[in-house]
Amino acid sequence: EAGVAQSPRYKIIEKRQSVAFWCNPISGHATLYWYQQILGQGPKLLIQFQNNGVVDDSQLPKDRFSAERLKGVDSTLKIQPAKLEDSAVYLCASSLTSGRPFYEQYFGPGTRLTVT
Amino acid sequence: DQQVKQNSPSLSVQEGRISILNCDYTNSMFDYFLWYKKYPAEGPTFLISISSIKDKNEDGRFTVFLNKSAKHLSLHIVPSQPGDSAVYFCAASFSGNTPLVFGKGTRLSVIA
Repeated sequence: EAGVAQSPRYKIIEKRQSVAFWCNPISGHATLYWYQQILGQGPKLLIQFQNNGVVDDSQLPKDRFSAERLKGVDSTLKIQPAKLEDSAVYLCASSLTSGRPFYEQYFGPGTRLTVT
Repeated sequence: DQQVKQNSPSLSVQEGRISILNCDYTNSMFDYFLWYKKYPAEGPTFLISISSIKDKNEDGRFTVFLNKSAKHLSLHIVPSQPGDSAVYFCAASFSGNTPLVFGKGTRLSVIA
């Protein structure tokens, strides 16, 4: 079974530029998460989707971050304009949704963003 | 306000001995607790989980213990192997496919 795919793996941009990250979850996983991991910290949720609907985006800086999950499969996370403090690893995770009270989340390799 | 805390940034253990990684949490409403392992340049890999209604879960060399009254959980690795060297994250969740709340991680080094 293929894991969660993310691209690009690395990205360097200047502040005020825009950037987009792509995620393809494990086949059949209805729930998709984007996390931000700043160096030395644990991952923190940015947004959660179930199918193509947003479940939780309370921690997404909506003035500069946006995300979508068209057709309930792939997802794109965008930052526009980027700030220096956006330098982090952006992790995508997915999980099953129905049938049990809890499902483990499986993570992709992440995209390391450096904003200069 | 950090709801999940891993107070030891690093731990060094000899090969073959037991590794014990600790985690504390503040929110008594958490239903599930998980441990993830992370190698450099890779995403976190799920290791083991435990429901709040249990106090122990075992999977091969890995055992997680949960003490609800103390709001404390620990991961035991026996015996430790050099390949276990990684950063270990403790995470907590509510039931129903909710986001994970992570600690800051503990870097485990297993010395041959």
